[in-house]
Order: sequence, then structure tokens, then C-alpha cells
Amino acid sequence: KAGVTQTPRYLIKTRGQQVTLSCSPISGHRSVSWYQQTPGQGLQFLFEYFSETQRNKGNFPGRFSGRQFSNSRSEMNVSTLELGDSALYLCASSEGLAGGSYNEQFFGPGTRLTVL
Amino acid sequence: GQNIDQPTEMTATEGAIVQINCTYQTSGFNGLFWYQQHAGEAPTFLSYNVLDGLEEKGRFSSFLSRSKGYSYLLLKELQMKDSASYLCAVRPRDSNYQLIWGAGTKLIIKP
Repeated sequence: KAGVTQTPRYLIKTRGQQVTLSCSPISGHRSVSWYQQTPGQGLQFLFEYFSETQRNKGNFPGRFSGRQFSNSRSEMNVSTLELGDSALYLCASSEGLAGGSYNEQFFGPGTRLTVL
Repeated sequence: GQNIDQPTEMTATEGAIVQINCTYQTSGFNGLFWYQQHAGEAPTFLSYNVLDGLEEKGRFSSFLSRSKGYSYLLLKELQMKDSASYLCAVRPRDSNYQLIWGAGTKLIIKP
């Protein structure tokens, strides 16, 4: 099985611009979670999509949004970029099955976003 | 609020044993994960605990005490390749599968 893929791997933008990141989960996985990772901050949860619906949302401003398509691929968008948005953005896929407490998350390689 | 605490950094010697602790305060409990993350790479799954006790998997073991809100990851026979960050994550009860993550423990292995 192919792993989780994310594109692009690296991105440089300037303040005020917007950016769209893409994530393709493992085949058969219906849940995609997005995280922001900065040094010393650990993984900060952005949101999770399951079967095209946002199931969970973290405490990020409305500039951060996402969506999921019928093939489970997901995109996240950040509008009006700020310097503080520079981070590694990781997506993780899991089966996300109802009633299952295991649901191991498999991570993609991440997109390194730099905002100048 | 929900909180997970891990030491920021630990140093150990090649061939030795190291224990990385994780304490959590969450609204209920429905499982704890340990992940390993090498610098510049994605986190990879190490272990999952939902019941009290020790889960052993080769050189790595993970322990859970739900009553104490405590877990540890035990790494034996340390190798240089074990130098990485170790992330603890908890799934609170009724969290709709969302995980709460610790900031991670950076483990440095010295020869």
C-alpha cells in the first residue's frame, strides 16, 4: 500500500498571500487530520475530515480552512499568510472507524511552509 | 483544560536504557500513543496502550497507569539511530477520535 503523500514538500510565500496544501491518504482510509508543527510547540491540531465532513476542529483562526473530496484526498488552505504561519504542516490518515478506539494515524512527510 | 507533559530533552549513552515519561490530564481516557519522529521526517507509530500495564515490542516497551494519568516509553540497548523526538498522544473519552499531543521529548544518544 502506498503511504500518505503530501504536496508540495516545500513552499515559500510572502505575507498576505494564500496557500493550498494537498494530502492523499492511504487507500481505504477515510479520515484525514491536519497538524501544524513548530519547534518546541509539538503537534497542534488543525482539523479532521471524515467522509468529506469536518468532524473535529482545533483552535486556529478562520484563515485556516480545509476540505475533503469524495476520494478522501484533502486540502487545507491558509489565507492572508502571517510570518507566524511558518511551520511544518503534517497530515495523517486513519481508518477513522466509528466505535474503534485504536485508529492509528499514519503521517505524510509534511509540507514545509516558509512565510517571508 | 487538557494537558500532556513530557520532558523537553533527554540524553543517554549508546547501549544503555532510557525511560521517557508522559503525564496527562484529559477529560476521560480512550487510549495513549507513542510516536517517534526523526529530524525532518514524519512521526511514525511506536505503540498503543489502552489498558494498564506494560506492552513490549522488541527493544521498546510502553507502560500505562490510567489511575495516575501516567505512561512511559522504555528504550533498551540504545542505538545511535534512536536519536529522535518521542511524542506522546492521548485520545480523551468522547473526543470523536481527536488526539491531544505532547510537545515531544528530544532524545540525544551519545557514543
